[in-house]
Amino acid sequence: GENVEQHPSTLSVQEGDSAVIKCTYSDSASNYFPWYKQELGKGPQLIIDIRSNVGEKKDQRIAVTLNKTAKHFSLHITETQPEDSAVYFCAASLRIGGGADGLTFGKGTHLIIQP
Amino acid sequence: DAGITQSPRHKVTETGTPVTLRCHQTENHRYMYWYRQDPGHGLRLIHYSYGVKDTDKGEVSDGYSVSRSKTEDFLLTLESATSSQTSVYFCAISELAGMGETQYFGPGTRLLVL
Repeated sequence: GENVEQHPSTLSVQEGDSAVIKCTYSDSASNYFPWYKQELGKGPQLIIDIRSNVGEKKDQRIAVTLNKTAKHFSLHITETQPEDSAVYFCAASLRIGGGADGLTFGKGTHLIIQP
Repeated sequence: DAGITQSPRHKVTETGTPVTLRCHQTENHRYMYWYRQDPGHGLRLIHYSYGVKDTDKGEVSDGYSVSRSKTEDFLLTLESATSSQTSVYFCAISELAGMGETQYFGPGTRLLVL
């Protein structure tokens, strides 16, 4: 099956600086890579995603890059703000039974924004 | 939370008792999933459904069963709860979107098995 590694497990940055979280995946058949943000006591919220036919995608302060050859993808957050503090999860998607997609998640990165 | 509710939101139970968690969606999405979240493991897929009465196992399905008798409801049952099933359980839904589906998650159910 798919295996997703995520680094770092904890990341502390000064407010206004950039944050980068990196993930690698093992199965070259994976074709969809979402990123989720999870605040304490809540469910994961999708913040950005990328499909394997695209190398980069941006949405305001958030960007994701994908390198299919190396099987890694990264989340970039610029001009970090206190409300960016949360746990971030990357995931890779593989087609499973009945046309469904199974997500394999990384173990998460606790992002701390220092004032 | 994309029209997804989970009930109960919190539950404490004893080892050996049956437990059923409910996921309800108002989006009429075809696919529904149950995940568990544990420290150091991220989220792991338990079971999923690709239509009414169509379900299959995920990565960590031992000790769990599911049922889907209506599009909007997906039930997760622990036949005889064990302490190792203490976890936070999340339901997710998606609609087929070509290459990869976007999955939207519910608010979660926190389960403690004593």
